[in-house]
Amino acid sequence: GAGVSQSPSNKVTEKGKDVELRCDPISGHTALYWYRQSLGQGLEFLIYFQGNSAPDKSGLPSDRFSAERTGGSVSTLTIQRTQQEDSAVYLCASSWSSGGLAKNIQYFGAGTRLSVL
Amino acid sequence: GDSVTQMEGPVTLSEEAFLTINCTYTATGYPSLFWYVQYPGEGLQLLLKATKADDKGSNKGFEATYRKETTSFHLEKGSVQVSDSAVYFCALPESGTYKYIFGTGTRLKVLA
Repeated sequence: GAGVSQSPSNKVTEKGKDVELRCDPISGHTALYWYRQSLGQGLEFLIYFQGNSAPDKSGLPSDRFSAERTGGSVSTLTIQRTQQEDSAVYLCASSWSSGGLAKNIQYFGAGTRLSVL
Repeated sequence: GDSVTQMEGPVTLSEEAFLTINCTYTATGYPSLFWYVQYPGEGLQLLLKATKADDKGSNKGFEATYRKETTSFHLEKGSVQVSDSAVYFCALPESGTYKYIFGTGTRLKVLA
């Protein structure tokens, strides 16, 4: 596609429910990144994919968070048993393959605003 | 480790005023430096970048110069417009990894 697409744009859920956030990167971009933007905070790195592999998941805040990427394209970030502190904007970015280094410009989607009641 | 420090906001200016948003960094080596902008309801967009010392990035009237002696990359615009109201993020790629390190963002509000 023309840009990074994320869905849904807004998600309101009840505490304890599971949610899935979707990211469709720019066609041809093999690197994909998830970040979290909490109110009044900067961007917090969550996870990085190179193709379908996630070399480093250490940015995920807890084992309730998981992500996968299939076909080297679409990625899904899943949050299980959501808590109020999970409320944030979740941003996805993609770039050309960087060989493991952030040399290439990351292009961002508009984000998913998650509200946990 | 690598880090980025941005001036706190919000910054409120009148239209046509001069803008400076300070950004300083700590990094191993001389990484590329970026300014991203986030307009209301949108994702981050790359505003400008500089890839080496003394480079000046520019776009849409905004400029920033890579100063290695002061480890700074301050964003400037000579005459802001209401449409420049947004959140601005300074960023750099973390040494030896695939991550970007972002500042906390500076919210700019321009009044007509």
